Amino acid sequence: AQSVSQHNHHVILSEAASLELGCNYSYGGTVNLFWYVQYPGQHLQLLLKYFSGDPLVKGIKGFEAEFIKSKFSFNLRKPSVQWSDTAEYFCAVLSGGYNKLIFGAGTRLAVHP
Amino acid sequence: KAGVTQTPRYLIKTRGQQVTLSCSPISGHRSVSWYQQTPGQGLQFLFEYFSETQRNKGNFPGRFSGRQFSNSRSEMNVSTLELGDSALYLCASSLNPGAGDTEAFFGQGTRLTVV
Repeated sequence: AQSVSQHNHHVILSEAASLELGCNYSYGGTVNLFWYVQYPGQHLQLLLKYFSGDPLVKGIKGFEAEFIKSKFSFNLRKPSVQWSDTAEYFCAVLSGGYNKLIFGAGTRLAVHP
Repeated sequence: KAGVTQTPRYLIKTRGQQVTLSCSPISGHRSVSWYQQTPGQGLQFLFEYFSETQRNKGNFPGRFSGRQFSNSRSEMNVSTLELGDSALYLCASSLNPGAGDTEAFFGQGTRLTVV
């Protein structure tokens, strides 16, 4: 069965620091990968997605992620975080071609001014 | 256009009761999926419906069921509620994820508390 592993459960950063959140998935075939963000009290929102093509994917709010097939990884990055990036971040893989997402455990990011 | 709408937003039920949650997808979206979110287990897939047919099901007991109507609205039902069913239940809609590049849009969820 497919699985997704997020390395950090809690991350604390100061504003302007760089961010990298790790994500590894288990499936070896063609994968569709996503990063979702959940701001406090809000619904899950898509940050970015990878289906095919350029492995460096750019998303909203300055986020990007790199798909490295040989490492089964899809790490999320942002060069300079802001207090408003405080949220929980979820990596997910689409399973079986249907609307079934397998999520990682999530990473809670706290950004201090 | 309107997003995914889930009703009610909050529910408190007693053990042994049953509950029905509703989800209205984005207009034009025909696929609806349900997820359970808890602090201990995270986000777990319950089931997915497309054109009134269940295409995929997660590892949940038979007390969890769902259906989809011809207008793509979906309901999920949990019978004989247990304390462990307390969770945030999320609904997600998409055009047709089996047809290529697509994404799931999530509702704000229904917070179910079983006492």
